[in-house]
Amino acid sequence: GAGVSQSPSNKVTEKGKDVELRCDPISGHTALYWYRQRLGQGLEFLIYFQGNSAPDKSGLPSDRFSAERTGESVSTLTIQRTQQEDSAVYLCASSFGRAGDEQFFGPGTRLTVL
Amino acid sequence: AQSVTQLDSQVPVFEEAPVELRCNYSSSVSVYLFWYVQYPNQGLQLLLKYLSGSTLVKGINGFEAEFNKSQTSFHLRKPSVHISDTAEYFCAVLSGGYQKVTFGTGTKLQVIP
Repeated sequence: GAGVSQSPSNKVTEKGKDVELRCDPISGHTALYWYRQRLGQGLEFLIYFQGNSAPDKSGLPSDRFSAERTGESVSTLTIQRTQQEDSAVYLCASSFGRAGDEQFFGPGTRLTVL
Repeated sequence: AQSVTQLDSQVPVFEEAPVELRCNYSSSVSVYLFWYVQYPNQGLQLLLKYLSGSTLVKGINGFEAEFNKSQTSFHLRKPSVHISDTAEYFCAVLSGGYQKVTFGTGTKLQVIP
């Protein structure tokens, strides 16, 4: 079956604009994660959805960042009033949500804020 | 709290030489441990994982890792590397009571022909 997909693959925006990034998880995966990967750096956790539970937003860097997920399907990550330091690759991953389950990663969205 | 430390940000190694990528974790309870690999311009994929049982775990592409509870380590090894192993490797931990995995900062393995 299809893997995790993300769109757009690349996004260039101007400072101050809002952007919306989309993630389509693997069908049947109850857990969905968003990470940020800045150039030359590791994975930075942003937010975690598990089924119908309240999301774990502990990694969101500021209130300009928000994410939604409808049920166990698509998720959108929104960044308002983008800043240059938001430039990074945003990765989405999904899993069956059981402890020890492998996370399957999407190809990422490369965001460039000018 | 759970955390992961990958002390080596870059590891250059000649082709066909052995390699060890170090990973240390911090947790006071039982853990699950993972290694993920990110090839150039590709997404991350699972290399291997330790959940329980044998402390020596074998993964894809000839890699293996050993869980050492006393040293809180999960080092990744390969006896003979190939050019195609050039990639970034991420160690990750999930502790009991936590819902999300914590990733290390990654180690770039550069295989020199």
